[in-house]
Amino acid sequence: DGGITQSPKYLFRKEGQNVTLSCEQNLNHDAMYWYRQDPGQGLRLIYYSQIVNDFQKGDIAEGYSVSREKKESFPLTVTSAQKNPTAFYLCASSQDRDSPLHFGNGTRLTVT
Amino acid sequence: AQSVSQHNHHVILSEAASLELGCNYSYGGTVNLFWYVQYPGQHLQLLLKYFSGDPLVKGIKGFEAEFIKSKFSFNLRKPSVQWSDTAEYFCAVNPQGAAGNKLTFGGGTRVLVKP
Repeated sequence: DGGITQSPKYLFRKEGQNVTLSCEQNLNHDAMYWYRQDPGQGLRLIYYSQIVNDFQKGDIAEGYSVSREKKESFPLTVTSAQKNPTAFYLCASSQDRDSPLHFGNGTRLTVT
Repeated sequence: AQSVSQHNHHVILSEAASLELGCNYSYGGTVNLFWYVQYPGQHLQLLLKYFSGDPLVKGIKGFEAEFIKSKFSFNLRKPSVQWSDTAEYFCAVNPQGAAGNKLTFGGGTRVLVKP
């Protein structure tokens, strides 16, 4: 079955450490996205990429970085500069800008 | 920048009751509108979408939504809910013509349907 795989499901890190969240899709979608979900705030866009080797900042990109070296992969690094990194992170993909997003199951990151 | 407001954070109702979830957006231009749903333990999935045409759109599982342009609203409805409709519902907006698919989501509404 085609879909989006996010790993791991739960991640724990100490403050000051960078951490990378994995996102892989086998849907052959061009566009990929990272959202952060916090209670009562919905989903907020961190970064998105419409094509390999290109990506743009979303609404809350500070403290995060991404790469898009392969069409199927869009890893997100949460750096030590992110002031409030504990959250639920969702990766998504879409065929084009008018197509609905397909979401992964998410990674819950806890930083202590 | 656009924003999306969902008026109710939590809704509790009994099976067979009718459901209406409010969604208002702020954006001056033409938009694409979506409702996504997240069932417990599952990933977010599309419930329905509106791009143009008939402002009353029907989605999966008996849900429908009405776009009222003058009110900047896209409310979700279901005439008779089931226990399996327990989920979190998100309204989302994407300006037409914008570069990329920069969906803006509302804060979500948690719906609990009591058996």
